[in-house]
Amino acid sequence: QVQLQESGPGLVKPSGTLSLTCAVSGGSISSSNWWSWVRQPPGKGLEWIGEIYHSGSTNYNPSLKSRVTISVDKSKNQFSLKLSSVTAADTAVYYCARAIHDSSGFLIDPWGQGTLVTVSS
Amino acid sequence: QSVLTQPPSASGTPGQRVTISCSGSSSNIGSNYVYWYQQLPGTAPKLLIYRNNQRPSGVPDRFSGSKSGTSASLAISGLRSEDEADYYCAAWDDSLSGLFGGGTKLTVL
Repeated sequence: QVQLQESGPGLVKPSGTLSLTCAVSGGSISSSNWWSWVRQPPGKGLEWIGEIYHSGSTNYNPSLKSRVTISVDKSKNQFSLKLSSVTAADTAVYYCARAIHDSSGFLIDPWGQGTLVTVSS
Repeated sequence: QSVLTQPPSASGTPGQRVTISCSGSSSNIGSNYVYWYQQLPGTAPKLLIYRNNQRPSGVPDRFSGSKSGTSASLAISGLRSEDEADYYCAAWDDSLSGLFGGGTKLTVL
């Protein structure tokens, strides 16, 4: 049973870089899955940020692409998110999750419990 | 504004059947599978429907999904109080990007 756990600072200063890590347990990050980040601003809906394959291939949300970097560390069975030049609009609960792609879709399951990141001085 | 369009709210009384719609375009719903997620207050989303109409193990058959063209629907029959949650549709877009609908808050009256 794959489980995911996010970790990282809960407070980031404006113009700084948000950095989160997702530890994967119960399965290998080198399996045939993609590893994703999704965020949810307080009281709002879900926003897909991007994903990474163990080979290092990535897909990013076009609206965030210029500020996002997702990387993988196979030795630690974890993957990470970096979001630069943050503003208050980046305040959100950030979820990591496994994404299973097939020919015509992507299934996101399971999800981590989420971690709230607040952008404030 | 989300690329996948959902009504912001829906409601029903216990035992009723409610449906939630999700509208997209030819590059996402029109050519790819639709997925539905249920988010109970204060928790992470949970997969409810995959590949348009398939239920994961453990999801009651009161929940069903369908797709036609560039639109999809989630139906909940025999509505129960514990179904009160936010529901999100999702689909892959041919531009290699994941999409979520804006979410629908379901209230059980």
